[in-house]
Amino acid sequence: SQTIHQWPATLVQPVGSPLSLECTVEGTSNPNLYWYRQAAGRGLQLLFYSVGIGQISSEVPQNLSASRPQDRQFILSSKKLLLSDSGFYLCAWSDRAQGPQHFGDGTRLSIL
Amino acid sequence: GQNIDQPTEMTATEGAIVQINCTYQTSGFNGLFWYQQHAGEAPTFLSYNVLDGLEEKGRFSSFLSRSKGYSYLLLKELQMKDSASYLCAVVDSNYQLIWGAGTKLIIKP
Repeated sequence: SQTIHQWPATLVQPVGSPLSLECTVEGTSNPNLYWYRQAAGRGLQLLFYSVGIGQISSEVPQNLSASRPQDRQFILSSKKLLLSDSGFYLCAWSDRAQGPQHFGDGTRLSIL
Repeated sequence: GQNIDQPTEMTATEGAIVQINCTYQTSGFNGLFWYQQHAGEAPTFLSYNVLDGLEEKGRFSSFLSRSKGYSYLLLKELQMKDSASYLCAVVDSNYQLIWGAGTKLIIKP
């Protein structure tokens, strides 16, 4: 069966520091991969999605970037975090564009 | 623009039935999802509708009317553990998933 791992679960970072969140999927090949952010009490905001290695589409301009160095690995990065980057970050995968997305446990990021 | 509307919050009683509505205006339609999200946790997939009609899965059912741009999630025999947010999401013509803001369901004993 397919599983998705996302880490860390919680992260507290100072303003201006770098960020790296990692997500890996097991049990499937060539998945579609997604990064979302969810502010407290709000809906999901799609940040990036990828349909293959090295293929990244950005939905919202910001100081975040994403990379997909391997088929089942998706990384969210920032060189300098802003206070507004605080939130709940979720990685998800699907086997096709119109298929259900399955989420990792999420990373709660607090910027101080 | 693309839009999905759901009530912000609903309250229901344990053991009762509740219907959560979702209306959408999107550029094209390639399916509608319902997800459950408990506080502080990730969303989990509940149901998928692409054709008109009712899909039943245990205590949960989901209905779709494409001509009306309307769906609902029906929860029967409510349990306290059903307290959560319920997210409606639509796949548009570009196969992008458009998310609603979610409905927070509060279950009272």
